[in-house]
Amino acid sequence: EIVLTQSPGTLSLSPGETATLSCRASQSVSSSYLAWYQQKPGQAPRLLIYGASSRATGIPDRFSGSGSGTDFTLTISRLEPEDSAVYYCQQYGSSPRTFGQGTKLEIK
Amino acid sequence: QVQLVQSGADVKNPGASMKVSCKASGYIFTGYYMHWVRQAPGQGLEWVGRINPNTGGTDYAQRFKGRITITRDTSINTAYMELVRLTSDDTATYYCARDCGGNKYYFDYWGQGTLVTVSS
Repeated sequence: EIVLTQSPGTLSLSPGETATLSCRASQSVSSSYLAWYQQKPGQAPRLLIYGASSRATGIPDRFSGSGSGTDFTLTISRLEPEDSAVYYCQQYGSSPRTFGQGTKLEIK
Repeated sequence: QVQLVQSGADVKNPGASMKVSCKASGYIFTGYYMHWVRQAPGQGLEWVGRINPNTGGTDYAQRFKGRITITRDTSINTAYMELVRLTSDDTATYYCARDCGGNKYYFDYWGQGTLVTVSS
C-alpha cells in the first residue's frame, strides 16, 4: 500500500500570499496518478487537480500542481479567505487507492 | 447539472447493518463508475469500494471484504452501499463519488454525505 504523507499539518498564511503544500509517497506513484481535493467544513471534497498537474473543470489558475515519482506539490497563489480548507492528496495509480492525512490551510 | 443525492443520517446499534443510497442525475448513470468513500469524525478520507453501474461489477477495499456490498438499480439511477456487522469504528460520513471516467479511481462529483453513527 502506498502511504501518502502530507506536510505541513497546518499552514497559516495571509491573503495574497502563496501556499505550498507537500505530498510525499512511500513508493513511486505510477503515471503521476495523483489528485488533490479541497474540503471545507461540513462539505464534501472538491476535485482540484488530477494527473498531478491538470486542473479540474472550473478550478481557477491560482491552483497548480506539480511533481512526479514520490514528491508532489499543490501551490495556491494569491490566497483568498475562501481558500481556508483542508487539502488532501490521493494516489490512484496503485491498489489500494489511498489518501494523505490532509493539510489544514488557515487564512489569517 | 450532475447531482448525487444521498439518503439521510442514521443511527445504528453495534452488530447491525446499514444501507446508504445515492441517486444520480444530470448524466448517463451507466456511463461512469460510482465509488464510496468514508470519513470518520475529524479524520481523513478512506476509499471503501466501487461499482460499475453498467455491469454491476464491484471492487472493494480489502479491509471491508466480507462485510460490504455495493449494488445499483439502473431503473432509478441509484447506487447503494450496505455494510454489515457494524462496530463503533464504522461511525463516519459516507460519500458516494462519481469516477472521472474510464475507471480511473479519482472523483469529480460527490454526494452531500451521509453520517452513520454506530452506538448502543
